[in-house]
Amino acid sequence: LAKTTQPISMDSYEGQEVNITCSHNNIATNDYITWYQQFPSQGPRFIIQGYKTKVTNEVASLFIPADRKSSTLSLPRVSLSDTAVYYCLVGDMYSSASKIIFGSGTRLSIRP
Amino acid sequence: EAQVTQNPRYLITVTGKKLTVTCSQNMNHEYMSWYRQDPGLGLRQIYYSMNVEVTDKGDVPEGYKVSRKEKRNFPLILESPSPNQTSLYFCASSLLAGVYEQYFGPGTRLTVT
Repeated sequence: LAKTTQPISMDSYEGQEVNITCSHNNIATNDYITWYQQFPSQGPRFIIQGYKTKVTNEVASLFIPADRKSSTLSLPRVSLSDTAVYYCLVGDMYSSASKIIFGSGTRLSIRP
Repeated sequence: EAQVTQNPRYLITVTGKKLTVTCSQNMNHEYMSWYRQDPGLGLRQIYYSMNVEVTDKGDVPEGYKVSRKEKRNFPLILESPSPNQTSLYFCASSLLAGVYEQYFGPGTRLTVT
């Protein structure tokens, strides 16, 4: 499993775009990149997943450069409700033995 | 409604008293997993199951047992709980493997005194 590294915490303000970067230098060919959001005392919630280039859904965008050694989760126009911990995971989509490592995540704080 | 349920949500017990936390999903998912979450340590995987009767250890399996006799259920068993197992526990399921989108239960807060 590729190890991931994220900033421990980030601060921003309502209405701003927030970019959280995850480093995964040892990413393997079959690995996909997945991001989760977690609010206090709740289970994580899937945000977005991608393999390369750019993926966008209704809540976020995921940017993955050509070498795939890092990825950036982009949250457009954040609000106070986006205050949460964000986890980056990397794993083999085609492996049946799927141990998952969440890491410590990035604690995002949004201020008014 | 597609969901993962866990019971109980809160449990206070004493050292050595066997307990089981149940987990059930209604999405016909192949993969199920248990995690524990402790302050400053993020989520750590305890056990996972790729299908009925197929289970494997995660990162922190010591002191825990699991079974997968039916596709929808994946109970977590603590044969002899100790205070260091005081934690917030989450069950999750996904379609085929952990890399796929995982759906998490509401959590079980366990205190062992």
